[in-house]
Amino acid sequence: QVQLQESGPGLVKPSETLSLTCTVSGGSISSYYWSWIRQPPGKGLEWIGYIYYSGSINYNPSLKSRVTISVDTSKNHFSLKLSSVTAADTAVYYCARTVSTSFFYYMDVWGKGTTVTVSS
Amino acid sequence: EIVLTQSPGTLSLSPGERATLSCRASQSVSSSYLAWYQQKPGQAPRLLMYGASSRAAGIPDRFSGSGSGTDFTLTISRLEPEDFAVYYCQQYGRSSWTFGQGTKVEIK
Repeated sequence: QVQLQESGPGLVKPSETLSLTCTVSGGSISSYYWSWIRQPPGKGLEWIGYIYYSGSINYNPSLKSRVTISVDTSKNHFSLKLSSVTAADTAVYYCARTVSTSFFYYMDVWGKGTTVTVSS
Repeated sequence: EIVLTQSPGTLSLSPGERATLSCRASQSVSSSYLAWYQQKPGQAPRLLMYGASSRAAGIPDRFSGSGSGTDFTLTISRLEPEDFAVYYCQQYGRSSWTFGQGTKVEIK
């Protein structure tokens, strides 16, 4: 059974770069897309971007200038970097396995989420 | 960007009642690319439906989905205590994903 675990600093200073890693266990990172999603306190879900295990990437246009997602198949993990953060980037950050086929698109396995607070 | 608008914002119902949640898209969405998620407080979202009407693994048959084009519906035939949660619709289009703002199903 595939499980995802987010890790990274829970506190980031304004203007700095937020860095998170999602480790995939119980299965291979190959053959799937992998997404980052965030949820500000008390608000809804926002897709940040996704990466294919081979390196193909798409970002949310509203965050594209500040986001970098990468994958390390040897470590079975993928990562998120969000630069120039502000208080508006405070959120629970989730990683999710993303099924993207010719027929269906959905996110079927999610990490438990990690809370990141942007504050000095 | 395709905007998904969910209604109502909050649905107050009693256990055993039927819940009908709406998700309306700002432009036509392929049914294959429409999914629903359930989120309980302090938990990650959980996939309920994909392809608008296919139940994910382990999802009870009291959950059903329907719709096409710009209008989609999630129905819970008889609410169980564990069904009170927030529900999100999600769509994929033009290499981008968007979520609705959520419908909270609360105990009346």
